[in-house]
Amino acid sequence: EVQLLESGGGLVQPGGSLRLSCAASGFTFSTYAMNWVRQAPGKGLEWVSSIGGGGSTTYYADSVKGRFTISRDNSKNTLYVQMNSLRAEDTAVYYCAKARDGYIYDYWGQGTLVTVSS
Amino acid sequence: EIVMTQSPATLSVSPGERATLSCRASQSVSSNLAWYQQKPGQAPRLLIFGASTRATGIPARFSGGGSGTEFTLTISSLQSEDFAVYYCQQYNNWPLTFGGGTKVEI
Repeated sequence: EVQLLESGGGLVQPGGSLRLSCAASGFTFSTYAMNWVRQAPGKGLEWVSSIGGGGSTTYYADSVKGRFTISRDNSKNTLYVQMNSLRAEDTAVYYCAKARDGYIYDYWGQGTLVTVSS
Repeated sequence: EIVMTQSPATLSVSPGERATLSCRASQSVSSNLAWYQQKPGQAPRLLIFGASTRATGIPARFSGGGSGTEFTLTISSLQSEDFAVYYCQQYNNWPLTFGGGTKVEI
C-alpha cells in the first residue's frame, strides 16, 4: 500500500524558513517523480514543485522560484522542500504527491499546514 | 502559462441525477488532462487521466471526454459520496496548472 506522510509544517514569521518532509512507502521511490502541491485556506490547488526520480531534474512554479528548493533522498525514501523567505501568501496546506507517468498525481499525502504570520 | 477554466463554479444536483462538469484550457493540452475529486478535510483523489481513462478503483459512473482545449467530466448517476469539489489539471506544459474547481452540491 502506497503511503505518503508529510511533516514539518507549523507557524513561521514572514521572512522565515521551514523544511517540509514527505516519507514514502509502498512503492519503489526512486522510480517516480514526486511533487509538492499546495492549497491556501478555502482556495483551489496550486502546483508548487516537482522532481524527477533521480533527483537531477526539478521544476518550480514562478511564485516560489528562487525561494523554495525541492530535493529527495532515495536512500531514505523521503522528499523534501526547503522554503525560505516565506510570505503570508505561502500559507497553505502542502501536499506531497506521487506522480505516475506524465506528472499525474496518483497518490497524495494527508497534507501539512504551513502558516506564515507574525 | 496555460489557464484552466472550470464551469460552473457550483453545480446543484439531486442524488441519482447526471452531472456534467466542464474544463477549458487556454491553449491545447492534447489529451494530457486529469480530473481529481476532493472532499472536505481530505486530500484530492485521482479520478481520470489522459482525459478519459479512469484511475484504479474509480467507479464506471465517472467518465471523461474531450481533447485539445475542451474537456468534460460526467457523473452518470450521482451518489451521496460524489458530492465534493472537482478539479481538472493539465500536464502538457510547465507550469502544471489546475482549474479553479467545481463544487457539486446537493
